[in-house]
Amino acid sequence: DAKTTQPPSMDCAEGRAANLPCNHSTISGNEYVYWYRQIHSQGPQYIIHGLKNNETNEMASLIITEDRKSSTLILPHATLRDTAVYYCIVTYGTDKLIFGTGTRLQVFP
Amino acid sequence: GAVVSQHPSWVICKSGTSVKIECRSLDFQATTMFWYRQFPKQSLMLMATSNEGSKATYEQGVEKDKFLINHASLTLSTLTVTSAHPEDSSFYICSALSWASLANNEQFFGPGTRLTVL
Repeated sequence: DAKTTQPPSMDCAEGRAANLPCNHSTISGNEYVYWYRQIHSQGPQYIIHGLKNNETNEMASLIITEDRKSSTLILPHATLRDTAVYYCIVTYGTDKLIFGTGTRLQVFP
Repeated sequence: GAVVSQHPSWVICKSGTSVKIECRSLDFQATTMFWYRQFPKQSLMLMATSNEGSKATYEQGVEKDKFLINHASLTLSTLTVTSAHPEDSSFYICSALSWASLANNEQFFGPGTRLTVL
């Protein structure tokens, strides 16, 4: 079973920041937080991952709380192409990915 | 780089026939490949993990005799749905790990294959 809880859906205006929350209260000390997204009828795409520290790459930022029980994925300037289902996954470094239900993000003009 | 392809992208078959789906890593060697299944409006469900030259490891509840996985090379894995029935109709997606992405566990996903069994 997935170890994460995410809101089923969110809306965001184009150009604004999209903040997607994820709860993972049972995360273990050496488990990572991964974010993938799936655009309709395509394979998922890796976005970012982290262990303890906040992470940033060209796609997004990942903010992990100090107790590591929750995290937030930030898309700084959402575009229409960011409309997708976003999955937050907790797993060990090289273990399999177990997808939960994800958050369906709708970016509107 | 890090492109994964699947073939075919969609297939329609009659009930009782077998269907083979190919997953290829185009520009890298895959240490491990994974097969997922996704029903409409649902999340991805991991079916099996496949390493080159060894038997696949199936998730609980997945019938290994029905979903045959062959991982003959470091760039090719195949999933054969044997004696397909309408309830096997689904979106089948593969993913692959490269040596470079292994440390980050960054899986590269194929575009998926939509199977419809009549």
